[in-house]
Amino acid sequence: DAGVIQSPRHEVTEMGQEVTLRCKPISGHNSLFWYRQTMMRGLELLIYFNNNVPIDDSGMPEDRFSAKMPNASFSTLKIQPSEPRDSAVYFCASGTEAFFGQGTRLTVV
Amino acid sequence: DAKTTQPPSMDCAEGRAANLPCNHSTISGNEYVYWYRQIHSQGPQYIIHGLKNNETNEMASLIITEDRKSSTLILPHATLRDTAVYYCIVRVYSNSGYALNFGKGTSLLVTP
Repeated sequence: DAGVIQSPRHEVTEMGQEVTLRCKPISGHNSLFWYRQTMMRGLELLIYFNNNVPIDDSGMPEDRFSAKMPNASFSTLKIQPSEPRDSAVYFCASGTEAFFGQGTRLTVV
Repeated sequence: DAKTTQPPSMDCAEGRAANLPCNHSTISGNEYVYWYRQIHSQGPQYIIHGLKNNETNEMASLIITEDRKSSTLILPHATLRDTAVYYCIVRVYSNSGYALNFGKGTSLLVTP
């Protein structure tokens, strides 16, 4: 099993651009989580899905953020338009015990 | 989910047991205790979880007090690679998925 796969590993974009982060969960896992980590705020839960349905998106910071899970093997987190304060490491995790991917380091300049 | 309290940092000599405490005095009867760790620049890693009985796996042991208001994660023979931030979390266990909220954790430094 390859584990949770996130892409890209690194992303540098200009302010105002759209950014899409991708996640492939572990096969058979019903739960999927998106987290954001910064030095100031630590690990923040943004949203989680169960059986492809968003259960709790109260952690999504604002309307510029959106997440989808069109099927059991794929999820996206989109930021449009991006801002410098969105710079962080974004993690995806799957399964009841939340197995994490390696993260996407996003830098918005 | 019940809130947890952990010391911000701890040191441990290599080869010795590392005992990481966690207080969760408001834990509910159906909430489990979960432990994760995060090694620098990596995603958090699941370690172990338990409800009320002590648990052991290949990574660590989890000791939960009888009143369930506190727990201790034990790394029996710490190595330098165990240097990481360790998070104690309480949450309801369900296959339907429940939030997993991380606090600040304990930064463990294992020294030679």
